[in-house]
Amino acid sequence: EVQLVESGGGLVQPGGSLRLSCAASGFTVTNNYMSWVRQAPGKGLEWVSVVSSSGTTHYADSVKGRFTVSRDNSKNALYLHMNSLRPVDTAVYYCARELTPGTFDIWGQGTMVTVSS
Amino acid sequence: QLVLTQSPSASASLGASVKLTCTLTSGRSSYAIAWHQQQPEKGPRYLMKFNSDGSHTKGDGIPDRFSGSSSGAERYLTISSLQSEDEADYYCQTWDTGIRVFGGGTKLTVL
Repeated sequence: EVQLVESGGGLVQPGGSLRLSCAASGFTVTNNYMSWVRQAPGKGLEWVSVVSSSGTTHYADSVKGRFTVSRDNSKNALYLHMNSLRPVDTAVYYCARELTPGTFDIWGQGTMVTVSS
Repeated sequence: QLVLTQSPSASASLGASVKLTCTLTSGRSSYAIAWHQQQPEKGPRYLMKFNSDGSHTKGDGIPDRFSGSSSGAERYLTISSLQSEDEADYYCQTWDTGIRVFGGGTKLTVL
């Protein structure tokens, strides 16, 4: 079964760091474009970052310089390293596979990140 | 700038049909989009990718009640024979090199 499972969310203080994980099954992460998308409480979906199958990364302006995406081929996993976290980063974070570049066809269930003192 | 515009809300009766609209930024009328459904307290679910030439690719298990169409810069999602489980938020989404963009979403209420 093709599936994505996120983990690593939690409560962190402003200025802190957190690493989110996204474990994939049923397909190979490095053979696909993969994105992170977030949803603040009561708000819509906001794209965060993408990594291409070749490893090229792009980020939304709101997280550029603070967030980094990486992959682990041996674990078939995607990661989002988040630094200098702000209260506005509070959201459910989803990872998603891109069927073709730009088309999210598989979504995880999400992991909640709360940035608060 | 790549922007998608959706009406915040829509409603229709059980068993009826509803047509949701997503408008692409001026000058981007040839862009493909995708539609995603998010039921209450759940993660998003891919419905379909819709190309400006009318071709589309549906997600696994998406019923024929869900269909896409377009006119110029507007993209439509039509849901027929509405069921209670269709009550959800619907997002359109598009992309360009290095960027992905979501519309603000339409909250569909099934009366």
